[in-house]
Amino acid sequence: ETGVTQTPRHLVMGMTNKKSLKCEQHLGHNAMYWYKQSAKKPLELMFVYSLEERVENNSVPSRFSPECPNSSHLFLHLHTLQPEDSALYLCASSQGSGTMNTEAFFGQGTRLTVV
Amino acid sequence: GQSLEQPSEVTAVEGAIVQINCTYQTSGFYGLSWYQQHDGGAPTFLSYNALDGLEETGRFSSFLSRSDSYGYLLLQELQMKDSASYFCAVLNQAGTALIFGKGTTLSVSS
Repeated sequence: ETGVTQTPRHLVMGMTNKKSLKCEQHLGHNAMYWYKQSAKKPLELMFVYSLEERVENNSVPSRFSPECPNSSHLFLHLHTLQPEDSALYLCASSQGSGTMNTEAFFGQGTRLTVV
Repeated sequence: GQSLEQPSEVTAVEGAIVQINCTYQTSGFYGLSWYQQHDGGAPTFLSYNALDGLEETGRFSSFLSRSDSYGYLLLQELQMKDSASYFCAVLNQAGTALIFGKGTTLSVSS
């Protein structure tokens, strides 16, 4: 397998549920990202990991909790979400070095619906 | 912080040429990138301009003017399959991640 793979592709969860989104990259990249894409809004950067260390948390509510166990895997743990959190969650990776970060590779995303 | 402005929608016919503009305000600038996203798909990298001028890749070209904080994506010989959203993007101040514009939806008709 090549590229960036996200699972699940679709997820419906209640506001009291706990679920996790998974991302795996097979590109040998050192940086991984979570973005949120809502209707009529740009791709919003949520978290940045470089060499498995979180280097940026873009003022994301604590009900979203990222985890990067190694450079190939990234998780987004979700709990007590709100309906406004319904969106497409995209994972991406890049080489993680300076201008090499200008070319990011995205997964197909997880379409999350909070009911 | 970083902010980017681009038109929300552009329409054109097959075979035409279309230009999607992007203006940016940044703290630190590493260059301007362009991404394409089809409905239901993942954003995919199209081009990157670090220096002023025009970069050509097949039917697509991208231009940058650092002094004007301005760039554009030029799509030639439009095809139906070019109907998609196009995003300009810059690296954040730390150079660790991309910040995206709101995207331009291009609709190509026959």
